[in-house]
Amino acid sequence: SAVISQKPSRDICQRGTSLTIQCQVDSQVTMMFWYRQQPGQSLTLIATANQGSEATYESGFVIDKFPISRPNLTFSTLTVSNMSPEDSSIYLCSVGNLAGADTQYFGPGTRLTVL
Amino acid sequence: QKEVEQNSGPLSVPEGAIASLNCTYSDRGSQSFFWYRQYSGKSPELIMFIYSNGDKEDGRFTAQLNKASQYVSLLIRDSQPSDSATYLCAVTMNRDDKIIFGKGTRLHILP
Repeated sequence: SAVISQKPSRDICQRGTSLTIQCQVDSQVTMMFWYRQQPGQSLTLIATANQGSEATYESGFVIDKFPISRPNLTFSTLTVSNMSPEDSSIYLCSVGNLAGADTQYFGPGTRLTVL
Repeated sequence: QKEVEQNSGPLSVPEGAIASLNCTYSDRGSQSFFWYRQYSGKSPELIMFIYSNGDKEDGRFTAQLNKASQYVSLLIRDSQPSDSATYLCAVTMNRDDKIIFGKGTRLHILP
């Protein structure tokens, strides 16, 4: 499996501000995904980060609120824009298609609290 | 709509016994099946994947798949208190498709 890091690991933000979360992988990967996990809930896929093109968003998530960049095969960012307390959650990146396998591995997550 | 169903638990199992976790899925075309373990405050960790009908064993863990019944399970033998966690079942149709996660089953191993 790859080594996946996320920054920041946690943050406390004010309503109306934006936070950019970084995901770095130690090897090139085909697929990168961004998930949200609200307290006591399972994982919700936000979008698939596509290298060289716009991200593919799931129903209920839009680019204006969650802009995503994927400049290369080892790095991606997720921005949570114009935050409200409802955005308080853990945000996780995951990577897939390592060595041809269709499994996904998760980064350590970013715990976001919006006041 | 593709769905993955799990009993939320908690499932309480005595230490040393076999813990049995179950999962059903709605999409008959699903091809790949995964079990993730998530400790409180941590990110999910992949522990097993299975593609073919039957059993797949890895140490104390056995994944069982029955595509006809659209059913996948995880058995944990000789359960340890360190196995106490939430177990997420996940399913995908192919390697380029997104993974659909269940809501997870909380497992509690009683010392």
